[in-house]
Amino acid sequence: GQNIDQPTEMTATEGAIVQINCTYQTSGFNGLFWYQQHAGEAPTFLSYNVLDGLEEKGRFSSFLSRSKGYSYLLLKELQMKDSASYLCAGLNTGFQKLVFGTGTRLLVSP
Amino acid sequence: KAGVTQTPRYLIKTRGQQVTLSCSPISGHRSVSWYQQTPGQGLQFLFEYFSETQRNKGNFPGRFSGRQFSNSRSEMNVSTLELGDSALYLCASSLGLRDGYGYTFGSGTRLTVV
Repeated sequence: GQNIDQPTEMTATEGAIVQINCTYQTSGFNGLFWYQQHAGEAPTFLSYNVLDGLEEKGRFSSFLSRSKGYSYLLLKELQMKDSASYLCAGLNTGFQKLVFGTGTRLLVSP
Repeated sequence: KAGVTQTPRYLIKTRGQQVTLSCSPISGHRSVSWYQQTPGQGLQFLFEYFSETQRNKGNFPGRFSGRQFSNSRSEMNVSTLELGDSALYLCASSLGLRDGYGYTFGSGTRLTVV
């Protein structure tokens, strides 16, 4: 199968750091994408990891461990506008489609 | 440059009817993918087209079909609509997933079947 698992919901406080985890079956995917989706809007691309390690982009970082089938998205200095759903997506072995997890809804409170 | 354009934005149909949704990808993007998004299931892959050929298909019944034209524009069709087809249908185009470009999504078509 091609399961991608992530927590359903998380809460955090403005200014804090939050880590959203994602686990997947290692045999099914070649890389991991993270997307952000605000309510009522389309998902937007955040990051892509194909090799092990940490990729940093401003306040957002993404980590991948291929052997463990594990990724996380790290959001620093949280802002209210970061309240959104965060979708983890695996790139299938044919490089032709993304398989999405059901998303983690993040609520940032003052 | 223009993003991915989906039309219409909203649609209300009756059970048993059929519907056609349209997607214009970003200029230069030859790959177009379609997803169904519902609150309980998240984003479910429908199909992917590249140069007018369907390369990949998800686990949806044959009532769901699509095509891509020579200008890369794509359409998807759902026949004999059921209440459970109510969802947000998202189209995405890409320069190449293998190279890590990811998808650019359109704003979606919100389909309600009554």
